[in-house]
Amino acid sequence: EVQLVESGGALVQPGGSLRLSCAASGFTFSSYEMNWVRQAPGKGLEWVSYISSGGTIYYADSVKGRFTISRDNAKNSLYLQMNSLRAEDTAVYYCARETGSRDYFDYWGQGTLVTVSS
Amino acid sequence: DIQMTQSPSSLSASVGDRVTITCRASQSISSFLNWYQHKPGKAPKLLIYAASSLQSGVPSRFSGGGSGTDFTLTISSLQAEDFATYYCQQSYSTPRSFGQGTKLEIK
Repeated sequence: EVQLVESGGALVQPGGSLRLSCAASGFTFSSYEMNWVRQAPGKGLEWVSYISSGGTIYYADSVKGRFTISRDNAKNSLYLQMNSLRAEDTAVYYCARETGSRDYFDYWGQGTLVTVSS
Repeated sequence: DIQMTQSPSSLSASVGDRVTITCRASQSISSFLNWYQHKPGKAPKLLIYAASSLQSGVPSRFSGGGSGTDFTLTISSLQAEDFATYYCQQSYSTPRSFGQGTKLEIK
């Protein structure tokens, strides 16, 4: 059974840093592209970042230069290093597996809450 | 960047109703269009991929259509468990933009 479990969410002050993790199981993690998607309170889904199986990386403009996505295939884990956090980064962060020739997100985690507030 | 616009933003309907949600892309995305269902406190769930392909395990009352810039998600006969927020998403290019969501509520 495919499982994605996020962790690392917390309350952090503006300007602070946080590292989110996503533990994957039930599939060959190294073969899949992975994404981070977030949902701010009362808002819709917002794509944040992508990493391919080969290490190609993309970011949303809203987080470029502040967030870093990475993966450790030996540990079946995906990460999101979040620096210079702002109030507008407050959201539930989901990791999602991307698959297929049409690049859809077929499995998602339950999410981890990041709150940026003083 | 490709902008995705859904309509309506919210919708009230009754069990047994047929409902259709539309999604428009700001440029042609061929059939690189996916639909997700999201309930509060839960992981989003893939319903339809490549515009019209039903994800495994998703009930056949869900269907998708369209290509190019205009797409639809139809639920043929609403069930109680279908009341949720629905999002379209384009996977034609990065950033993988989502529509703003359509909240389906019980009438």
